[in-house]
Amino acid sequence: GENVEQHPSTLSVQEGDSAVIKCTYSDSASNYFPWYKQELGKGPQLIIDIRSNVGEKKDQRIAVTLNKTAKHFSLHITETQPEDSAVYFCAASWNNAGNMLTFGGGTRLMVKP
Amino acid sequence: DADVTQTPRNRITKTGKRIMLECSQTKGHDRMYWYRQDPGLGLRLIYYSFDVKDINKGEISDGYSVSRQAQAKFSLSLESAIPNQTALYFCATSDSGYSGANVLTFGAGSRLTVL
Repeated sequence: GENVEQHPSTLSVQEGDSAVIKCTYSDSASNYFPWYKQELGKGPQLIIDIRSNVGEKKDQRIAVTLNKTAKHFSLHITETQPEDSAVYFCAASWNNAGNMLTFGGGTRLMVKP
Repeated sequence: DADVTQTPRNRITKTGKRIMLECSQTKGHDRMYWYRQDPGLGLRLIYYSFDVKDINKGEISDGYSVSRQAQAKFSLSLESAIPNQTALYFCATSDSGYSGANVLTFGAGSRLTVL
C-alpha cells in the first residue's frame, strides 16, 4: 500500500517569512495529492490539491509543487501570517472512485508575530 | 449548523466500557469515514462506508465496529475500550463522483480518553 512521509514535524517561522513542508510517497500509481489544514479544535480542511498532470498549482499565498519522478510534493506558504499557524497534513491516493487517501504524519506550523 | 456533526466532543471513560461516537451530516454525501488521529501518526482510517448497505474495514479496524443507520448517520463503537484507544477521532464525508470522491469534509472531532 501507499506510504506517505512528511517533514518537518514542527516548523517555526517569523511572520512574513516563507514556510515549506515536504512529503514523499511510495506508490508511483498515486496521482492525487491534497493538503489539509487543521486549526486548533477543528477538523482538517482541504486548502489545496494537485493532480499528477501538473507540476505546480498556486492559490494566493499558498502553492504546491509535485515531482513525480522523485515521488515528492511540497507545500509553500509565502508571507506567513499568525493565522497560518495550524497543523498541516499532506495525503496521496489514486483519484478513482474506490481509493482511500493515505495521510502523512502532520506538520505543526507556528508563525511568530 | 456544521455540515458534519460529531457527538460527544469529549469523553472520558474507563477500560472495558462500551463507547459510541456518533456522526451526522447535512452534505448529502454518500460516503462516510471514521479516522483516528494520534500525534506524529497523521490520520488513519478505521472504517468507511460508500452507502447505507456498504461497510468496509480500514487500516486499523481491530477493536472497533461501525453502523450506518442512514445516509446521514455513521456511528463508531468501541465494544470494550482500552487505554491505547485514547485518541482524537474524526468523522468525514465525501461525494461519490470522480472529482469529489477524495475531497473530504471533516467534523470537529471527538476526543476520547480511556483510563
